[in-house]
Amino acid sequence: EPEVTQTPSHQVTQMGQEVILRCVPISNHLYFYWYRQILGQKVEFLVSFYNNEISEKSEIFDDQFSVERPDGSNFTLKIRSTKLEDSAMYFCASSGLVIYEQYFGPGTRLTVT
Amino acid sequence: QQQVKQSPQSLIVQKGGISIINCAYENTAFDYFPWYQQFPGKGPALLIAIRPDVSEKKEGRFTISFNKSAKQFSLHIMDSQPGDSATYFCAASMLNSGAGSYQLTFGKGTKLSVIP
Repeated sequence: EPEVTQTPSHQVTQMGQEVILRCVPISNHLYFYWYRQILGQKVEFLVSFYNNEISEKSEIFDDQFSVERPDGSNFTLKIRSTKLEDSAMYFCASSGLVIYEQYFGPGTRLTVT
Repeated sequence: QQQVKQSPQSLIVQKGGISIINCAYENTAFDYFPWYQQFPGKGPALLIAIRPDVSEKKEGRFTISFNKSAKQFSLHIMDSQPGDSATYFCAASMLNSGAGSYQLTFGKGTKLSVIP
């Protein structure tokens, strides 16, 4: 069964450093999302991406964040200058023709020290 | 108005019992209500979902009941098993037709423990 994959599974970085989180969505999907989950809290929407541009973004997704689909398979989330409060699980999700059915990857745990 | 309120925060059910998790929303523009199951260290997995034009949807042991007038929906797990022990999130979404995007708004989650 096709699935969303994410790398790395765990990333530790120092405050102020740039990180890139990578996702490979399900191959025939067209809509891509990033969500985050701070430990013990609910999953929060960050951004959606379609047709090579951002469709929607939340208040969390400020100028420090950017997304890119550098090739036909990868979808990345970049945090330019990480802060302690960026520590969270970051989930990539994708959906296809049934646009509202989103399938999540296993997540990347980001720890900012 | 974008919030989805979920209860209870945690739930302990005996094997074979019925687990019931409730959610409430305020935004009547929401038109898609999924439930996600999350095991520790894993991503949320789509479990079952409902659109507001039906009042109930059943898939195996999992049933969603939907009350449009009360703006509430619930997940029922029949014959609960220890393998069902996980965190369950309700969510709600509406199509942003201008953006072509279905942003999910999640509840805070319910940690279900099914004891033998």
